[in-house]
Amino acid sequence: AQRVTQPEKLLSVFKGAPVELKCNYSYSGSPELFWYVQYSRQRLQLLLRHISRESIKGFTADLNKGETSFHLKKPFAQEEDSAMYYCALRTGTTDSWGKFQFGAGTQVVVTP
Amino acid sequence: NAGVTQTPKFQVLKTGQSMTLQCAQDMNHNSMYWYRQDPGMGLRLIYYSASEGTTDKGEVPNGYNVSRLNKREFSLRLESAAPSQTSVYFCASRRTGGAFFGQGTRLTVV
Repeated sequence: AQRVTQPEKLLSVFKGAPVELKCNYSYSGSPELFWYVQYSRQRLQLLLRHISRESIKGFTADLNKGETSFHLKKPFAQEEDSAMYYCALRTGTTDSWGKFQFGAGTQVVVTP
Repeated sequence: NAGVTQTPKFQVLKTGQSMTLQCAQDMNHNSMYWYRQDPGMGLRLIYYSASEGTTDKGEVPNGYNVSRLNKREFSLRLESAAPSQTSVYFCASRRTGGAFFGQGTRLTVV
């Protein structure tokens, strides 16, 4: 069965320090992975998609199929990065549909 | 461009009452989803609809029903609300790529 694991419930970092959020997945098919961010009491917003390999708000994430990981990284954390971050795995046989399996989320707190 | 719109934003129900959460998207997406968000558990899929006219159970469907009224609208119904259904409910839609989420409905069952 597919599963997404985010081992850290809470990450507390200082402004300007690097931050890494861990995500591991299990899925027998070809994975499509995402990172979503949710600022306080707001809707989830798509942050990154592994296929696009882009950097958003200074965040990057690399899919490592050997380690089944999709860790999210940012070299210098900012206070506005304080939010809940979810790793998500899309399962489905075609690109036109599919379910999203979410991890439990990691709360990031950036202190000045 | 509204994206995904959910109504209501807040609701308090008494145990045993029924209600329907509404969701509409204006992005011409085929797939739509209902999730519930609980502390420490992330988002769990309740039901999804791959296309108009089809619906399927997700991870936690018990106590819920859905209707894909047309391509735009996907509603979630609680027939007899229970305190365990106190949660934040998110609707989402997708065509390709990532899913887009509504702003959520905060439901409390007392």
